[in-house]
Amino acid sequence: KAGVTQTPRYLIKTRGQQVTLSCSPISGHRSVSWYQQTPGQGLQFLFEYFSETQRNKGNFPGRFSGRQFSNSRSEMNVSTLELGDSALYLCASSFTVSGSYNEQFFGPGTRLTVL
Amino acid sequence: AQSVSQHNHHVILSEAASLELGCNYSYGGTVNLFWYVQYPGQHLQLLLKYFSGDPLVKGIKGFEAEFIKSKFSFNLRKPSVQWSDTAEYFCAVSILTGGGNKLTFGTGTQLKVEL
Repeated sequence: KAGVTQTPRYLIKTRGQQVTLSCSPISGHRSVSWYQQTPGQGLQFLFEYFSETQRNKGNFPGRFSGRQFSNSRSEMNVSTLELGDSALYLCASSFTVSGSYNEQFFGPGTRLTVL
Repeated sequence: AQSVSQHNHHVILSEAASLELGCNYSYGGTVNLFWYVQYPGQHLQLLLKYFSGDPLVKGIKGFEAEFIKSKFSFNLRKPSVQWSDTAEYFCAVSILTGGGNKLTFGTGTQLKVEL
């Protein structure tokens, strides 16, 4: 089974621009979560989608948004980029949303650099 | 809101030494507990998980962890580390409140194993 894939792997943008990152979950997984990883803040939860609905949201400004498509693929968008948005953005998929079994599988991430 | 604390930020060990990484969480309800590992240049991988049952769980590559509910702890152990265990280790908690797949991570422990 193919793992979680994320595209692109690397991105360089300038302040004020917007960016869209894509994530394809493991086949059969319907939940997709996004995390931001930085040296200073570590791994922080952004949001989670299940069946095209946002189920959870972390403490990030409204510039960060996402969506999920009917095939479970997900995109996240960051508008009006700031220098502090430079980070590794990780996508994770899982088979269930809640319950006793919610192991998440992570993709390789998209490295975003904002200049 | 739940939080996760990892006591050691940097650990340096010689090969064959024993390893114990501390992890404490703050949440009074039912939790799922995880240890993830991030090898240099690679994506997050699941080392082991605790959902219920035997509080001593065994994972990949000889790692194990013990869930002590009364201490809100989930410490990671390995009797004899290898150079290839050099990586960053993250403890994570997921709460079972129907809120979906939100993982709260600790700040990570950077382990360096010297030959």
